[in-house]
Amino acid sequence: QPVLTQSSSASASLGSSVSLTCTLSSGHSSHTIAWHQQQPGKAPRYLMTLENTGTYNKGSGVPDRFSGSSSGADRYLTISNLQSEDEADYYCETWDTKGVFGGGTKVTVL
Amino acid sequence: QVQLVESGGGVVQPGKALRLSCAVSGFTFSNFAIHWVRQAPGKGLEWVAVISYNGLHKSYADSIKGRFAISRDNSKNTVSLLISSLRAEDTATYYCAKDRARPGGPVAGTPDYWGHGTLVIVSS
Repeated sequence: QPVLTQSSSASASLGSSVSLTCTLSSGHSSHTIAWHQQQPGKAPRYLMTLENTGTYNKGSGVPDRFSGSSSGADRYLTISNLQSEDEADYYCETWDTKGVFGGGTKVTVL
Repeated sequence: QVQLVESGGGVVQPGKALRLSCAVSGFTFSNFAIHWVRQAPGKGLEWVAVISYNGLHKSYADSIKGRFAISRDNSKNTVSLLISSLRAEDTATYYCAKDRARPGGPVAGTPDYWGHGTLVIVSS
């Protein structure tokens, strides 16, 4: 089963950009992943699916400020023009006959 | 709109069993797989199980295999998760979520709509 590694935290100023990384374990670098957002006290929300080619497909209603990209085993979620409501935990997730989540990155808006 | 509503959580003694339910509306339930994902207090998300659109294929996390059983009733638009021999480490909020696969297709593995969760507390 693949393992997904995420940094535990990230921070950036209001209106700036932040990029989160999710790294796939060895042998799984071609996997498609998904990004999910969990605001404090709320259920997770699907943001996008991101392929190893860098092609991404966003969920319904996800703002244009959210984008994805890929490089090798790394999958990135970039949030531009950071807003206060973007302060949340972000999880990457993938599938290989079973689901796997990364440990999550807590984003703080300064 | 798509809605998933979990129920059945509560305080349960160790060793007992509990059945969680997920009621679905807003899409053709019988065309999509459904996942269960849990989150222990203050911890990250943990994938638990999935059931295919027709109920024929089920997959479970290795950490819970043998104690959890997922099922669905396409006539009632519901999915259930039976948890047996409850342990303290099963304490968590349990979310059901719709799989994003094409209708009637194999499990894609990614939830694209989530319920609000139901809290299970295992305590004597």
